[in-house]
Amino acid sequence: EDQVTQSPEALRLQEGESSSLNCSYTVSGLRGLFWYRQDPGKGPEFLFTLYSAGEEKEKERLKATLTKKESFLHITAPKPEDSATYLCAVPSQTGANNLFFGTGTRLTVIP
Amino acid sequence: NAGVTQTPKFRILKIGQSMTLQCTQDMNHNYMYWYRQDPGMGLKLIYYSVGAGITDKGEVPNGYNVSRSTTEDFPLRLELAAPSQTSVYFCASTREGINGYTFGSGTRLTVV
Repeated sequence: EDQVTQSPEALRLQEGESSSLNCSYTVSGLRGLFWYRQDPGKGPEFLFTLYSAGEEKEKERLKATLTKKESFLHITAPKPEDSATYLCAVPSQTGANNLFFGTGTRLTVIP
Repeated sequence: NAGVTQTPKFRILKIGQSMTLQCTQDMNHNYMYWYRQDPGMGLKLIYYSVGAGITDKGEVPNGYNVSRSTTEDFPLRLELAAPSQTSVYFCASTREGINGYTFGSGTRLTVV
């Protein structure tokens, strides 16, 4: 059973057009929800960790929020350089020391 | 700081050949991981290590082997390459547990 589901699979935005990416999870006893950014041909880059419902983290035009069932990555007034795939991850239910990743949302910001 | 370094960046293997994907980190991280990434499938954990001399299987370990003789190095071995192992392989490390992985830039492997 998938532990993390991301939507949409792909999103195209005009520069300056704000939107949100969704990550829903089914794990119990959440020990953190993680957001990563991945540029084409590169490894994922860590963005945020959220630990409890109601928590928010911000970095430039990105804000991540967490509820008991899902997390949102809000992108405010995006720029073309925000184009990337955004991955969310949760601690694996089968292993104590590793992450289970979602399939990602591929974001394209058009100038 | 170089971070996590993976070599080679690209490789084409013939079915049945063997190779080792190299991963080294200079951050003195205890935890190291190997993931593979296939289009539309997300990152899948192959093997991980919580310290030198300790390794454990992940979600998709079949066809692979690892060793961890030093803190810095965590090589991934493919013994008999199969087309199903065509993928992009990422190595990652972290000081403790699951927080803030640092990923390498990946190895793109094609088995023909």
